[in-house]
Order: sequence, then C-alpha cells, then structure tokens
Amino acid sequence: DQQVKQNSPSLSVQEGRISILNCDYTNSMFDYFLWYKKYPAEGPTFLISISSIKDKNEDGRFTVFLNKSAKHLSLHIVPSQPGDSAVYFCAAMNIYGGATNKLIFGTGTLLAVQP
Amino acid sequence: DADVTQTPRNRITKTGKRIMLECSQTKGHDRMYWYRQDPGLGLRLIYYSFDVKDINKGEISDGYSVSRQAQAKFSLSLESAIPNQTALYFCATSVTDRGAQDTQYFGPGTRLTVL
Repeated sequence: DQQVKQNSPSLSVQEGRISILNCDYTNSMFDYFLWYKKYPAEGPTFLISISSIKDKNEDGRFTVFLNKSAKHLSLHIVPSQPGDSAVYFCAAMNIYGGATNKLIFGTGTLLAVQP
Repeated sequence: DADVTQTPRNRITKTGKRIMLECSQTKGHDRMYWYRQDPGLGLRLIYYSFDVKDINKGEISDGYSVSRQAQAKFSLSLESAIPNQTALYFCATSVTDRGAQDTQYFGPGTRLTVL
C-alpha cells in the first residue's frame, strides 16, 4: 500500500510560470514532510521541508503548503526555470517515532520547464 | 569531494553471482541507509543502520544483506543476484538529533543490471 502518492508522473510548464507539484499521504502519523529533487545520474538532494505544526514554508522560489485535514501537500516553484527540470520526490516521516522513524517516498514527478 | 560516495557507479552481473555495493561518507553522520529506485515505484528502503552495532531491515530486505564496517562505511550485498534486483541503488546518511530535522543526504547511486 503506497502511503505517499504522487499521482502526476510528469508535468510540463513554461519558463517563468508557476509549477505546482502535488503529494498525498494516507498515514495520519506522519508529522514531517520533505521534497527532494533528483537530476539524472545524481542522487536526490534535499530541497525543502515542513513540519506538521505549520501549513506553509518558503525558501526563495520554493514554497511548500501542507493541508493536514486533506492529507495533502504541494510544492510551488515561482518562477520556474529550465534548471528546475528534474524528478521531484515527496517524502514523509514520523519524526517523533523513536528509533523507527524512516522516510517514506512517493513515486516522483518529472518536471520539465520549457524555455 | 563528495560527502557520500558509492562504488561502483555501474555494474553488470549475471544471475547467481554475489555482488557488493559500497558506501562511504565523510559527513560524520551516524545513520546510514540503502534504498533502491525502480521506475514507477520511487525509492524503497532496503536496510538502515543507526550506528555501527545497529542494523535494521527496511521494507524490501529479502535477498539483501548489509554490513556496517565503521561509522563511515555501509555496504550492501546481494548473495545471489537475480534479474528483478536490477535497479538504481542509493546510499544515504543522516545525523541523529531527536526532535530536529532528519534530512537524509544521498550518494550518486549505483546502477546495477543483473542478466
């Protein structure tokens, strides 16, 4: 059973426009959420995170929104740049889960930003 | 120099062969992880280790074993490789800091093909 879901395998946007990547989760115990970005032939790199005590976290062009009641989070990239083209993974964990806190990843969304 | 390194970067092997993937880190982190990535399935946790004497199975540990030789080294072994173990393998590290972010830092990956 996929606890973290990214239902859009791919997304294409024009340079300068907003990119919105979505993620849904099913486990109500998750209290910490992260987005990772992955370029081809490289490992995933941490992008931005949000704790369940917040509903928004912003870092430059990247903003993550969390809707706990809907068990949904989204990553907004504004403005989108060609260098943002990559696979984006949503991940979730129970940060206060003691020794068993582990990251659960979604399946990823391939973002293509067209010049 | 990269903080998390994986060797080899690419490997082609035959069914039934034993193979070892190695991971080294210079970040001084105590936690290390092995994931595999398959198309459409995201990253799935194989094994994780919270210190040298602590080894834990992840969600897909069957067919794999690990060794934590030192704080900085964590190796993944396939005792008898099979074709459905063809995947991209990632090592990751994080630092224990209860209540704080458990951001994981990934290596560049090893592409393994089992014929």
